[in-house]
Amino acid sequence: GNSVTQMEGPVTLSEEAFLTINCTYTATGYPSLFWYVQYPGEGLQLLLKATKADDKGSNKGFEATYRKETTSFHLEKGSVQVSDSAVYFCALLPGTYKYIFGTGTRLKVLA
Amino acid sequence: ETGVTQSPTHLIKTRGQQVTLRCSSQSGHNTVSWYQQALGQGPQFIFQYYREEENGRGNFPPRFSGLQFPNYSSELNVNALELDDSALYLCASSYYLIAGNQETQYFGPGTRLLVL
Repeated sequence: GNSVTQMEGPVTLSEEAFLTINCTYTATGYPSLFWYVQYPGEGLQLLLKATKADDKGSNKGFEATYRKETTSFHLEKGSVQVSDSAVYFCALLPGTYKYIFGTGTRLKVLA
Repeated sequence: ETGVTQSPTHLIKTRGQQVTLRCSSQSGHNTVSWYQQALGQGPQFIFQYYREEENGRGNFPPRFSGLQFPNYSSELNVNALELDDSALYLCASSYYLIAGNQETQYFGPGTRLLVL
């Protein structure tokens, strides 16, 4: 079946550090892949997406590349800020109607 | 362009009661999906509505039901509430393409339900 596995958090970094949050997936066919971010007390905001292999999604300094050969969609940012502190969710949409979400990775950035 | 809105923001109910949550979809979207997010977990798909009919359902019992209205707004109804129903309920809207694929889902801020 379809599933998403994310690295467990929390991830604690100093401001301006490099961020990687790992995400791997299992899916049939060619799913679209997403990263959503959830700030405390809020809903999910779309951060970036990729719809086919080798696509790179990017937004607000975050990037992720759809790697079909390794079934991965790792999230990266070169220099994190305190305002990036949130929970990050990797998700896949296997061409049907429902998203499959990972369990989320909490990021805490210290000044 | 108006985003996805949900009401109420918070709700407290007791076990056995019934609850109705509401969602207004983003302008131009014709599909609404509902998710349950337990504390510390990722969202779990409940069901999706397209053209006022259920278009898919996750592993939730029949006491979870929904409606979609002609203006594409939606309701989630939960009967016979249980303690484990305490969660953040998220609504997401999207545009369902004729080819069977759908575009990105955009989420509302959620309704936090506490069942005592």
